[in-house]
Amino acid sequence: GNSVTQMEGPVTLSEEAFLTINCTYTATGYPSLFWYVQYPGEGLQLLLKATKADDKGSNKGFEATYRKETTSFHLEKGSVQVSDSAVYFCALSAGSGAGSYQLTFGKGTKLSVIP
Amino acid sequence: DAGVTQSPTHLIKTRGQQVTLRCSPKSGHDTVSWYQQALGQGPQFIFQYYEEEERQRGNFPDRFSGHQFPNYSSELNVNALLLGDSALYLCASSLETLALYNEQFFGPGTRLTVL
Repeated sequence: GNSVTQMEGPVTLSEEAFLTINCTYTATGYPSLFWYVQYPGEGLQLLLKATKADDKGSNKGFEATYRKETTSFHLEKGSVQVSDSAVYFCALSAGSGAGSYQLTFGKGTKLSVIP
Repeated sequence: DAGVTQSPTHLIKTRGQQVTLRCSPKSGHDTVSWYQQALGQGPQFIFQYYEEEERQRGNFPDRFSGHQFPNYSSELNVNALLLGDSALYLCASSLETLALYNEQFFGPGTRLTVL
């Protein structure tokens, strides 16, 4: 079956520090990969995505590269801000054709950024 | 443009009771998925509705059932509630296309507490 493993938190960083959150996956077929962010009291928001090997997803200074050889999709940001404090989820979708296939999520990594 | 809306925001029930949660998809979307997010965990896929039929189902018992209406809104019903059903229930909507992946937009969730 499909599964996602991401580094456990919580992660606490000072403002302007470099962020890496590791994510690896197991999937049948050729998955699309995602990072979602959940701010306190809010629903999930798509942060970035990649649909094929070597694709780099990017948004709001965050980046992640789809590495098929290592089955990884690590999230990085060069300089975090206090406003980046949230829970980050790595996820995959692995349908066998077109359509809105179910998402499989990791357990989430809570990030706290201190001034 | 209204996003995905869910009601109620919070709900408290006792064991053995039944509950109905509601979701209105983002304008223009025709597919609704439901996820259960236990405290400190990633969301888990319950099922997906398209054209008023359950199209995919995750590993949840038959106590979990749903419905999609002609206006694409959806309900999630849970019978014979257990303490372990306490969670945040997330609804996500998307537009069915021929693309490899159709982005799912999440609502803020309904927090269900079972006492």
